Amino acid sequence: EADIYQTPRYLVIGTGKKITLECSQTMGHDKMYWYQQDPGMELHLIHYSYGVNSTEKGDLSSESTVSRIRTEHFPLTLESARPSHTSQYLCASSEGPAQETQYFGPGTRLLVL
Amino acid sequence: AQTVTQSQPEMSVQEAETVTLSCTYDTSESDYYLFWYKQPPSRQMILVIRQEAYKQQNATENRFSVNFQKAAKSFSLKISDSQLGDAAMYFCAYPGRSGGGADGLTFGKGTHLIIQP
Repeated sequence: EADIYQTPRYLVIGTGKKITLECSQTMGHDKMYWYQQDPGMELHLIHYSYGVNSTEKGDLSSESTVSRIRTEHFPLTLESARPSHTSQYLCASSEGPAQETQYFGPGTRLLVL
Repeated sequence: AQTVTQSQPEMSVQEAETVTLSCTYDTSESDYYLFWYKQPPSRQMILVIRQEAYKQQNATENRFSVNFQKAAKSFSLKISDSQLGDAAMYFCAYPGRSGGGADGLTFGKGTHLIIQP
C-alpha cells in the first residue's frame, strides 16, 4: 500500500465545531489532492496543491480550507462543521503530471451531528 | 469539459467467472490517460489499471484487462477468474476536472462489484 496517511479515520462531532483533517505522505510527491466522497460513493475534487504554498479549489464548492506549508503535509480545515459536511474525505498525492497515478489515503469518515 | 459515465451501479458475478464493467467518457483531447481504481470496503483506493490513449494495445495487468475503444470513447474493465478479494467499488477515472483544468481526477459514479462464492 502507498505511504499516505490520514487521521483521524473516523470523527463524530457536533455542529459548529472547528475540525482539521490531517493528511501526510512520505513519497515526496509535489501534488496533493482532497476528494469528498458522498454517501452515494461519488467522488469530487475539492482542493489540490502543486507544492508548498500552492493551493487551489477543485470543482466541488467546499466551505473547507487547506494549507501546504510542508511538502508532506496537506491538512483540511472546517471552521464550523455542519451536518451537510458529513461525508468521507480522501486525500491523494501524485508525483507529477496529470497522467500519473494518484495514491490515496485510507480516508476520514466525518459525521456531523 | 470531461465527463465519465459508469452505467452499472452494481454487478454480481460467480467466483471464477468473468465480468466486464463499462465506462464511457467524453473529452475533446486527443492524447490522454484513463484509469480504473478499486476501493475495497473500508480500505484504500488503489489503481487497478491504466491506459494511454495513443497506444493501440489494450492494457493488461494479470487478471485485469481493458477494452479501449477510442473512437467510441469507451473504456471497459474485464476481470477474469473473479476472486472474493475482487469485491469492491470500481471507479473509472479521467485525469482532468469536469469544470476544466488538468489537475485532479474526474470519476464515474462507480460500480459495486459483488462476488458470489
